[in-house]
Amino acid sequence: EAEVAQSPRYKITEKSQAVAFWCDPISGHATLYWYRQILGQGPELLVQFQDESVVDDSQLPKDRFSAERLKGVDSTLKIQPAELGDSAMYLCASSFQASGSLRETQYFGPGTRLLVL
Amino acid sequence: DAKTTQPPSMDCAEGRAANLPCNHSTISGNEYVYWYRQIHSQGPQYIIHGLKNNETNEMASLIITEDRKSSTLILPHATLRDTAVYYCIVRGTGANSKLTFGKGITLSVRP
Repeated sequence: EAEVAQSPRYKITEKSQAVAFWCDPISGHATLYWYRQILGQGPELLVQFQDESVVDDSQLPKDRFSAERLKGVDSTLKIQPAELGDSAMYLCASSFQASGSLRETQYFGPGTRLLVL
Repeated sequence: DAKTTQPPSMDCAEGRAANLPCNHSTISGNEYVYWYRQIHSQGPQYIIHGLKNNETNEMASLIITEDRKSSTLILPHATLRDTAVYYCIVRGTGANSKLTFGKGITLSVRP
């Protein structure tokens, strides 16, 4: 069964450093999401892509976070500079259907666990 | 999208049915009830969703009350691998709708 791939699985960095996460969605999935999950809480949407276009980045802290999906396939989420409060799990999800469609099912990757020291 | 309320935790015995409740008293007519679960250190996994009719698939059953203000996810024969956080989410259709996760309910299946 096809899966969403993410790398790295774990990342330790020092505050003020730059960090990047990579996501490869399931082949053919046009919609891609990045979520952040703080320990003990549910995932929170950061950014949503439809193909290469950003559909919703209202919750993305744009002063330090950026996301791109240049060819509409894989995606990169970057944090520069990292802060202590960015320590969390960063999850990528993809779906075949358009966001909000009746039968949309999001498939999540295993996540990247970030620790900022 | 309407908010949901779930108890923080529950447990059940292996092999028994696990009934996970969810309240969504402010749900509107075009909003669906979705359930996802998250096993420790993994990404969330879709389970099931429904509008007003009861739904069943290979993983679970979803029972939605007639007034749609609450629902129950049923795992008919819980196993140890079903130990996870279960999220009940209400979501409308349309490009602006999102999956808004709360804290979920932690289900512990005991041997």
